[in-house]
Amino acid sequence: GIQVEQSPPDLILQEGANSTLRCNFSDSVNNLQWFHQNPWGQLINLFYIPSGTKQNGRLSATTVATERYSLLYISSSQTTDSGVYFCAVGLAGGTSYGKLTFGQGTILTVHP
Amino acid sequence: DTEVTQTPKHLVMGMTNKKSLKCEQHMGHRAMYWYKQKAKKPPELMFVYSYEKLSINESVPSRFSPECPNSSLLNLHLHALQPEDSALYLCASSHPRGIRSPLHFGNGTRLTVT
Repeated sequence: GIQVEQSPPDLILQEGANSTLRCNFSDSVNNLQWFHQNPWGQLINLFYIPSGTKQNGRLSATTVATERYSLLYISSSQTTDSGVYFCAVGLAGGTSYGKLTFGQGTILTVHP
Repeated sequence: DTEVTQTPKHLVMGMTNKKSLKCEQHMGHRAMYWYKQKAKKPPELMFVYSYEKLSINESVPSRFSPECPNSSLLNLHLHALQPEDSALYLCASSHPRGIRSPLHFGNGTRLTVT
């Protein structure tokens, strides 16, 4: 199956710092999503971004599908950004539609 | 507030019990999902329903039995579970095949099997 690698596995920041999280995947995808899981377990969809660039407030994401990677940028981090960030991908085509494979996640801790 | 509602939030059950997890969405989505998440691990897909029909079963043991009574509801029936089945069970929904759509998760049911 498709392999999804996220880096770094852990990231510790001071409030106000910027960061970049990376997601590499091993096959062609037509579905890529970024999620934030807060300390209470709630999974929030940040971006649906199989290609291109999107921005939402302090967060932005870029996917270069031809090179099989995606980046999530967090600017001016806040303590509420703490949690686990997951990248999830779905293979292009056929019967695999609906099947998302998650990376292992990046654990982000933002200190005040 | 999440648009996908899961009940109960917490569930403790013995290995001989039968229980059900419930999920409801009113976003008009016709694809619904069950994921299982163990501590410090990513979610793992269990089942996908598309237009109320089971389209993906990720070789889940038969002690987990999904049901999709209508386009808004998804159930997961549990029977004769093992302690290793203790996990966070997440329901999600999206538009189905052919319509590119983000996945929306509920807050999950935290299950403990004793």
